[in-house]
Amino acid sequence: DAGVIQSPRHEVTEMGQEVTLRCKPISGHNSLFWYRQTMMRGLELLIYFNNNVPIDDSGMPEDRFSAKMPNASFSTLKIQPSEPRDSAVYFCATAKVQVGSGANVLTFGAGSRLTVL
Amino acid sequence: EDQVTQSPEALRLQEGESSSLNCSYTVSGLRGLFWYRQDPGKGPEFLFTLYSAGEEKEKERLKATLTKKESFLHITAPKPEDSATYLCAVQEPTGANSKLTFGKGITLSVRP
Repeated sequence: DAGVIQSPRHEVTEMGQEVTLRCKPISGHNSLFWYRQTMMRGLELLIYFNNNVPIDDSGMPEDRFSAKMPNASFSTLKIQPSEPRDSAVYFCATAKVQVGSGANVLTFGAGSRLTVL
Repeated sequence: EDQVTQSPEALRLQEGESSSLNCSYTVSGLRGLFWYRQDPGKGPEFLFTLYSAGEEKEKERLKATLTKKESFLHITAPKPEDSATYLCAVQEPTGANSKLTFGKGITLSVRP
């Protein structure tokens, strides 16, 4: 199993440019989470999906951020336009969740480090 | 108010010097409390899940315990390879697929 695969690993862009981060979940995992990590705020949940449906996007900072999950094998997080304050490490995490089961164990990808100049 | 607070922010130990990392939480109800380890440049890696007060779990030099308001990660005779950031997270029982809320982490450095 290749685990959760994220791309790109590093992205440097200029303010105002569009940024697209990608995630391939572990096969069979039906929940997908996008987190952002900074020194100041730690790991913050941006949005999560169950069975490809967005469930909670209350953590998305503003309309410049959007996320999609067109199928069970792929998700994107898009920032348009990007700003310097968006600089952070963005993690995708996935879990196999069954209704009525216990707590979710998330498996994280290696992250995408975004720098907006 | 933060739902999950970890302390101290950073901890430096000598190899073999045992210590404990604290995670306190204020959520009402708990589906699970998680400990993760994060190495520089990598994503968090799962260590333990605790479900109820009094529960304990062990893995090598690590032991996690849980009370109604906090969890401890005890590190016995640590080695330099235990150096990492340790993250605590809670999951509330608000639905079948509820989210994890993380603390800011504790950065542990173990000197040889």
